[in-house]
Amino acid sequence: DTAVSQTPKYLVTQMGNDKSIKCEQNLGHDTMYWYKQDSKKFLKIMFSYNNKELIINETVPNRFSPKSPDKAHLNLHINSLELGDSAVYFCASSHGAPMLFFGEGSRLTVL
Amino acid sequence: DQQVKQNSPSLSVQEGRISILNCDYTNSMFDYFLWYKKYPAEGPTFLISISSIKDKNEDGRFTVFLNKSAKHLSLHIVPSQPGDSAVYFCAAGRTGTASKLTFGTGTRLQVTL
Repeated sequence: DTAVSQTPKYLVTQMGNDKSIKCEQNLGHDTMYWYKQDSKKFLKIMFSYNNKELIINETVPNRFSPKSPDKAHLNLHINSLELGDSAVYFCASSHGAPMLFFGEGSRLTVL
Repeated sequence: DQQVKQNSPSLSVQEGRISILNCDYTNSMFDYFLWYKKYPAEGPTFLISISSIKDKNEDGRFTVFLNKSAKHLSLHIVPSQPGDSAVYFCAAGRTGTASKLTFGTGTRLQVTL
């Protein structure tokens, strides 16, 4: 009965490949996010969607494209993967308040 | 430009004692602050928050103190328990910015027996 679930949890792939990470929340929240935690442990926001509409788009390469088919889902597609994309990607959701509910994270390793 | 800083990467405390985790911020526009707790291979989970109109918020064993003039907040855990061993992230945000939180790099707390 996971509130925010992401798949896959682990992803190992070669440079240049395209990959997707999926996120679903069953909390009924209006807003969903993607955060990236890099090797230095910085947890930084990448994107945020509110009711399927993009509201936050930080300085992220165009190779990253979020898609929200409905307010319960927010997927992240990454094209032409680079070594520097290796990180843990966290999906999160919220409802109005600043409190975020995070998924377990998806560890991406680019070889 | 690290707007939220946790200068202690790790902290070790004996069970039963007080744990004090510190956080500094630079952006005076931040008006709410949160602490998250993270276990290995799990996502961060919300612990406690405080808005800038308060200087203290308490929830059971956890208390957050905010010193706006010093741009400093701290999390006190009393008494510390082994299950509190985790990484603690401080986060800050501005009202009306769609919950865009800025996180610190975390402090790993180890509570020893």
